[in-house]
Amino acid sequence: AQSVTQLDSQVPVFEEAPVELRCNYSSSVSVYLFWYVQYPNQGLQLLLKYLSGSTLVKGINGFEAEFNKSQTSFHLRKPSVHISDTAEYFCAVSSGGSNYKLTFGKGTLLTVNP
Amino acid sequence: SQTIHQWPATLVQPVGSPLSLECTVEGTSNPNLYWYRQAAGRGLQLLFYSVGIGQISSEVPQNLSASRPQDRQFILSSKKLLLSDSGFYLCAWSGLGQGASEQYFGPGTRLTVT
Repeated sequence: AQSVTQLDSQVPVFEEAPVELRCNYSSSVSVYLFWYVQYPNQGLQLLLKYLSGSTLVKGINGFEAEFNKSQTSFHLRKPSVHISDTAEYFCAVSSGGSNYKLTFGKGTLLTVNP
Repeated sequence: SQTIHQWPATLVQPVGSPLSLECTVEGTSNPNLYWYRQAAGRGLQLLFYSVGIGQISSEVPQNLSASRPQDRQFILSSKKLLLSDSGFYLCAWSGLGQGASEQYFGPGTRLTVT
């Protein structure tokens, strides 16, 4: 079985400050990792993904994440946030298989203040 | 390009009434399809997934059912709604192979059971 822990339920930051949203996972097999963003009353949008290869992955809106196998982590970072980055962020893991189900963390609400 | 539609966008239903939520995907064939429920502060819960027409797998025993009458159509139903069925319902699709882990979400349906 696999699981995802997002260590912070809420992260408040000021505009133009850097931010890191933490994600740890557990899985007994190789994993694929994802970060999704959800704006209020909308569906989820894929920010970035790690399938294989380079452990540093870049996504949309200036976000990046680093896969650390030894620490079983996939933290999301952005060097300078904007007001428009205010949203809920979800980390997800999949171990492949015949149906490729995703297991989601409970989400981190990022609030960017002026 | 692929798009995913959900309707209705919002729904208010009394306890004990039936439910039918519809999801359709355009621009792809033979997708995997998923229904999730999102309750406040509880992340995303996978309800059902389907790998083909008429093939439905249930993740959580509950008051809901799902059907896939056509390749790109996924329907979530209930005969009698409970208060606990309130939430934000999201449909998603994924492709085949390694990319099957990458899920794309619809805009969601906000269901309020009164």
